[in-house]
Amino acid sequence: DGGITQSPKYLFRKEGQNVTLSCEQNLNHDAMYWYRQDPGQGLRLIYYSQIVNDFQKGDIAEGYSVSREKKESFPLTVTSAQKNPTAFYLCASSIPGSNEKLFFGSGTQLSVL
Amino acid sequence: EDKVVQSPLSLVVHEGDTVTLNCSYEVTNFRSLLWYKQEKKAPTFLFMLTSSGIEKKSGRLSSILDKKELFSILNITATQTGDSAVYLCAVGLGGGSNYKLTFGKGTLLTVNP
Repeated sequence: DGGITQSPKYLFRKEGQNVTLSCEQNLNHDAMYWYRQDPGQGLRLIYYSQIVNDFQKGDIAEGYSVSREKKESFPLTVTSAQKNPTAFYLCASSIPGSNEKLFFGSGTQLSVL
Repeated sequence: EDKVVQSPLSLVVHEGDTVTLNCSYEVTNFRSLLWYKQEKKAPTFLFMLTSSGIEKKSGRLSSILDKKELFSILNITATQTGDSAVYLCAVGLGGGSNYKLTFGKGTLLTVNP
């Protein structure tokens, strides 16, 4: 089955620690996105990538980093510089040539210990 | 700054009621407006609207866009408990490598039996 797989489902971070959230898709989509969702805040864009080896900052990129070495993979690192990392993180991808419609993974809930 | 505003933020109805969810926007470089349903984790796509006045329908759900007044509505008729979810409105902005979706905060719909 094709789809977007995020792992882990739940992740805990200690103070000063970097953690990496995985996002893999087998839909052959060119574009991939990372969103953060806080209660009552909707989805806010962290980073996005339209093509391998290229990515752009979204609205709240500070304290995060990404890489796009393969078309299928778009991992997100939450660095120690992100002072309020507790949130639900959603990865998405979109159809080649039709960026509008995004398909989402099931998300990762990150909490701080 | 691009803004997408949804109202109401929450709504409680009884099964069989009809509901209307609102989404207004103030953005530059508008391309499309999308509605998603988020029940547990992954938002699922409902509609994409690009032209004013053309209603899109899927079963009991329908949506329409007014590009002059900069808003969209999502109607749900004969609501069921399975319609309980967060409904997200998003606006597609930019193009090519700069394309992204900006989301509103969502409307939490609760349908009671």
